[in-house]
Amino acid sequence: NAGVMQNPRHLVRRRGQEARLRCSPMKGHSHVYWYRQLPEEGLKFMVYLQKENIIDESGMPKERFSAEFPKEGPSILRIQQVVRGDSAAYFCASSPWGEETQYFGPGTRLLVL
Amino acid sequence: AQSVTQPDIHITVSEGASLELRCNYSYGATPYLFWYVQSPGQGLQLLLKYFSGDTLVQGIKGFEAEFKRSQSSFNLRKPSVHWSDAAEYFCAVAGQFYFGTGTSLTVIP
Repeated sequence: NAGVMQNPRHLVRRRGQEARLRCSPMKGHSHVYWYRQLPEEGLKFMVYLQKENIIDESGMPKERFSAEFPKEGPSILRIQQVVRGDSAAYFCASSPWGEETQYFGPGTRLLVL
Repeated sequence: AQSVTQPDIHITVSEGASLELRCNYSYGATPYLFWYVQSPGQGLQLLLKYFSGDTLVQGIKGFEAEFKRSQSSFNLRKPSVHWSDAAEYFCAVAGQFYFGTGTSLTVIP
């Protein structure tokens, strides 16, 4: 049973470009969560999604950031017009319906030049 | 509001010594509590979790944690640390899933 998959593992973008981060949850998991980890800091919640539905996006910056979890395919975290401050590790986690435990992917390290 | 505090930013222990990492939480109801470990450049691996029942929970890699409601704590322990335990440890409380800022563990031979 494959774990949570994230790609790419490393992503380099120049200021103003778009970054698209993908997350495939564990088989049978219907909930996806995105977190951001800045250097020397803990994880900060960004958004919680179910298939085709955003449940909680209270941790998402108001501009440039968006997330989706379509009926088919992976969850996508999109960052438009990236800035240097967006450089961080972005982690995805998934859980099955009705369970609190989250299982984490290996993360995507985003570097904005 | 929910929050998690890990008072120790960094801890150094000798290999074979015992370990205790502190975690304090703030939560209005009975919390769901977790400990995760993160090795450099890696994702988070679940060590153990507490939902209800026995307040002493056993996890993987020889770790255990004790839930103390009166102290709002969920401290992680290991009786004998191995060099491979060197990593970042995060305590988390479910709900929206709040993480502490982490404790970095160094193990010296």
